[in-house]
Amino acid sequence: SQTIHQWPATLVQPVGSPLSLECTVEGTSNPNLYWYRQAAGRGLQLLFYSVGIGQISSEVPQNLSASRPQDRQFILSSKKLLLSDSGFYLCAWSAQSSGYGYTFGSGTRLTVV
Amino acid sequence: GNSVTQMEGPVTLSEEAFLTINCTYTATGYPSLFWYVQYPGEGLQLLLKATKADDKGSNKGFEATYRKETTSFHLEKGSVQVSDSAVYFCALSDRSGGSNYKLTFGKGTLLTVNP
Repeated sequence: SQTIHQWPATLVQPVGSPLSLECTVEGTSNPNLYWYRQAAGRGLQLLFYSVGIGQISSEVPQNLSASRPQDRQFILSSKKLLLSDSGFYLCAWSAQSSGYGYTFGSGTRLTVV
Repeated sequence: GNSVTQMEGPVTLSEEAFLTINCTYTATGYPSLFWYVQYPGEGLQLLLKATKADDKGSNKGFEATYRKETTSFHLEKGSVQVSDSAVYFCALSDRSGGSNYKLTFGKGTLLTVNP
C-alpha cells in the first residue's frame, strides 16, 4: 500500500533562518507531488507541484522554493524565513492522470518567531 | 478558471442533528468532486468522491451527490456525532485536457458538534 511521510511535525524557527521540509512517498512510482500551505483560519493554498524529477511548478511568488531530487522525494525550502511563512504545510501525492484525488501527509506546523 | 465555493461556517450542531454543508463549483471541463475532512492538528483525509454527474459518494454516514445541473456537491449526514467535529473541504479536480494535476479547494467549513 502507498504511504506518505512528512517531517518534522512541528518546527519553530527564527526569522531569517533557513528551512527544509521533507516529504517522501512509498509504494508507488512517478507520483504527482504537491506542497500546500494552510494559514491560520484560512483555506489551502497550493504552493508547488511536480509531475516528475526536477520538474517544479510554482503557483504563487513567495519566499519558498521546492525541489524533487528523487522520484518519490519532495523538499520545501527557504533561505531566509519571514514571519509570514508561519503556517501548516501539507505535502500530498496523486497518481498520474487520476481522478481519485490526493493523499495528504500529516503536516508540519511551522512557527516563525 | 476553476473555483469552489462552500459555506464558510462555523457550523455548530447538537449530537444527532442533520448536517448540510453547501458546495458549488465552477469548472471549464468535467471535474471530479471530493470532500476532505481535517481533524484538529492533522492532515486532510479523503472523505468521499464522485467522478461524474449523478454519482453519489458516501462514507461514514456522509453523502454527497454530483449535481451537474446546479453545479453542486452538498455534503449531508443524517445524524452527526461529536467525533465528526472537524474542518470539511470541498474540492474539484478538472480532468479536461489532462489538467487533473491540481485540486482546487474551497475555504473549508468548521463543524463543531456538541453532546
